[in-house]
Amino acid sequence: ETGVTQSPTHLIKTRGQQVTLRCSSQSGHNTVSWYQQALGQGPQFIFQYYREEENGRGNFPPRFSGLQFPNYSSELNVNALELDDSALYLCASRREHLSYEQYFGPGTRLTVT
Amino acid sequence: GENVEQHPSTLSVQEGDSAVIKCTYSDSASNYFPWYKQELGKGPQLIIDIRSNVGEKKDQRIAVTLNKTAKHFSLHITETQPEDSAVYFCAAMGGTSYGKLTFGQGTILTVHP
Repeated sequence: ETGVTQSPTHLIKTRGQQVTLRCSSQSGHNTVSWYQQALGQGPQFIFQYYREEENGRGNFPPRFSGLQFPNYSSELNVNALELDDSALYLCASRREHLSYEQYFGPGTRLTVT
Repeated sequence: GENVEQHPSTLSVQEGDSAVIKCTYSDSASNYFPWYKQELGKGPQLIIDIRSNVGEKKDQRIAVTLNKTAKHFSLHITETQPEDSAVYFCAAMGGTSYGKLTFGQGTILTVHP
């Protein structure tokens, strides 16, 4: 186990709704990244947070947004949910912004109906 | 942006055999190449990584090799065991995309007892 925790474990939402996913980074880690993993595929980078600011973003629309708190925990918010948003959402933390190794949490399984 | 190709998509071996998974990357500026193991219902687990200034790295039964000229890297598992059965992902990071991991499509490894 990495020490990265995520909640909730599973979530079912309806198209058009909004969702908030939560992540607690491993102790001593100050940088958090979020990834989306569709079924049968590798994770895709959404964005990362360092010092409570977004610091790098992948090819995801603005309805994907996030926050990082002073204790380095983070939230991922998705507005106007679409069916294609159904996926496993993974949070990864690393010790410093310039560190290489990223450690993943167990993920939140989001189903949009 | 970076593109990572991974082969094979599935790999079946007998217990005790060796397994090799190969990846190619497109961005010559990439300088960090981790490998993750993902078991059913869990997040990716970092099992080994290599940086661009090193050609090979070993950790017990697992080794990774990197050929920067050809832009490919490989995971080698020796003396495979049934508990090695999982999905394995390669990834690449670097250049101007600090912290952003680009993943391959994954390899489903099955080790038969």
